[in-house]
Amino acid sequence: DADVTQTPRNRITKTGKRIMLECSQTKGHDRMYWYRQDPGLGLRLIYYSFDVKDINKGEISDGYSVSRQAQAKFSLSLESAIPNQTALYFCATSDRGEETQYFGPGTRLLVL
Amino acid sequence: GQSLEQPSEVTAVEGAIVQINCTYQTSGFYGLSWYQQHDGGAPTFLSYNALDGLEETGRFSSFLSRSDSYGYLLLQELQMKDSASYFCAVPKGGYNKLIFGAGTRLAVHP
Repeated sequence: DADVTQTPRNRITKTGKRIMLECSQTKGHDRMYWYRQDPGLGLRLIYYSFDVKDINKGEISDGYSVSRQAQAKFSLSLESAIPNQTALYFCATSDRGEETQYFGPGTRLLVL
Repeated sequence: GQSLEQPSEVTAVEGAIVQINCTYQTSGFYGLSWYQQHDGGAPTFLSYNALDGLEETGRFSSFLSRSDSYGYLLLQELQMKDSASYFCAVPKGGYNKLIFGAGTRLAVHP
């Protein structure tokens, strides 16, 4: 079984809809991250959390919110989706003191 | 702020050696990471350099020069499966909040 899972893997939604992307991990890591990837661009950090009570904005948090329900779960919400939020979204985890980040398989989101 | 520059595309043949460069500008530097991403896949960690010099892991090596704000990923004995995008990244603020370069797409031909 994969260590970092994301649901759904693909999603089509309409402008103005609220949607939630979910991430779960079995690695036991405290740190979790949400990134967005657009064609021709690297990954950009949306939000990150270093433990259940810690939530921080990344580079591009406008239009997004997150919830850290448990150590193993970190959800990303688009409150009112817009077409320029069409992208590939990745969740990642890391352990304290380690540089390696472990990425989930990604969620491909299309906003019409 | 932070910014990283790397070439957008590199082409090489099987069995050859290729070097992917990355220059960075950061306010505070902690190290340089490299990730590999195949089409449709997730990024996977390759290496991390905190100190100057060359780190070797099998066919892949990574180099860092802090004084030149420069690093590179060296891939030897190229195989078709090495065709992928390669990203350099730096942690921002020392908390492993990664800032990624735009990525270099490597195409390996027979």
